[in-house]
Amino acid sequence: KNQVEQSPQSLIILEGKNCTLQCNYTVSPFSNLRWYKQDTGRGPVSLTIMTFSENTKSNGRYTATLDADTKQSSLHITASQLSDSASYICVVTTGASWGKLQFGAGTQVVVTP
Amino acid sequence: NAGVTQTPKFQVLKTGQSMTLQCAQDMNHEYMSWYRQDPGMGLRLIHYSVGAGITDQGEVPNGYNVSRSTTEDFPLRLLSAAPSQTSVYFCASSYSGTSGDLYEQYFGPGTRLTVT
Repeated sequence: KNQVEQSPQSLIILEGKNCTLQCNYTVSPFSNLRWYKQDTGRGPVSLTIMTFSENTKSNGRYTATLDADTKQSSLHITASQLSDSASYICVVTTGASWGKLQFGAGTQVVVTP
Repeated sequence: NAGVTQTPKFQVLKTGQSMTLQCAQDMNHEYMSWYRQDPGMGLRLIHYSVGAGITDQGEVPNGYNVSRSTTEDFPLRLLSAAPSQTSVYFCASSYSGTSGDLYEQYFGPGTRLTVT
């Protein structure tokens, strides 16, 4: 069973609207949580990295939140743009080794005009 | 800097053929890794390396070989291609240490492989 579950699997939003993606994890021990953006046909690109002591981190119109007690994270996209159409991947690390990263399956976001 | 580069971008193989996927980085990163990405699944680690001459297996190593003779290059070899190896392959690199050190991991553009 995947230790990182993302929801929804996909969503369609109108340009200019906001949306929130969810990530629930069971990975333990926990070191940090990363959100990546993956454009179609490209490799993932890092958006945010959060340690267990951080509740929120922003990168432009992207804001990630983390609740380490409930093992939940969210990624909020504000005032969506067509260029936000991509897959968003949640990654949880144990900190022990780069080989111990756990990847979620991603949420596919489509922004329509 | 070119970052992480991968060749080829696309490849079609017949069952039983062998080939090498190339990966190179120019950031002097010690850590390099290979992932495969399949529909509906998260990226899965195939092999990784923490420096020249050092490699180790990831989650799904069967059917793949790697070597690391230089810091820059980390090729992935498919020994005898099977349809189950149809996937998109990503190479990634980072400074060494551990994932807890908050170093960025940089991904290449991917190689889309089809095995018929």
